[in-house]
Amino acid sequence: GENVEQHPSTLSVQEGDSAVIKCTYSDSASNYFPWYKQELGKGPQLIIDIRSNVGEKKDQRIAVTLNKTAKHFSLHITETQPEDSAVYFCAAKDCSTLGRLYFGRGTQLTVWP
Amino acid sequence: NAGVTQTPKFQVLKTGQSMTLQCAQDMNHEYMSWYRQDPGMGLRLIHYSVGAGITDQGEVPNGYNVSRSTTEDFPLRLLSAAPSQTSVYFCAAGTSGGGEQYFGPGTRLTVT
Repeated sequence: GENVEQHPSTLSVQEGDSAVIKCTYSDSASNYFPWYKQELGKGPQLIIDIRSNVGEKKDQRIAVTLNKTAKHFSLHITETQPEDSAVYFCAAKDCSTLGRLYFGRGTQLTVWP
Repeated sequence: NAGVTQTPKFQVLKTGQSMTLQCAQDMNHEYMSWYRQDPGMGLRLIHYSVGAGITDQGEVPNGYNVSRSTTEDFPLRLLSAAPSQTSVYFCAAGTSGGGEQYFGPGTRLTVT
């Protein structure tokens, strides 16, 4: 099955700086890559996703890039704010598993004011 | 439109007790799944369902049962609770083909 690795496990940045979280996947058949944000005591929330036919996608201060050849994808957050502090999860899905997602272990992002 | 709802929010069980965690969705999504979240382990898939009457095992299915009699509901049953099942449980619903999944707020379970 798919194996998703996520780095770093913790990340601290100053407010206003950028944050980058990286994930790699093992199965070249994977075609959908979502990112989730989990605030303390809440369920994961889908914040952005990218499909294998696209190299980059942006939504205001967040962006995701995908390199299919290297089998890695990244989350970029610009102009970070304290409310960006949360655990972020990447995931990968391939078309053969009918919707099953494989998750990375998460990155605890802390944004200091 | 409530999305995905889970009950209860918190539960304490004694070893050997059984219980059912409830999950319901009002988005008419065919795909539903249960995950457990433990510190440092991320989200691990317990069971999933691609539609009413169809379920399959995920990564950590032992000690848990599921059924899917309707599109809306996907309960998770703990047959005989063990301390190793102390965790936070999340239910999710989404589209099988597209991949988007939406999570409920979670149930925090403690087994003593």
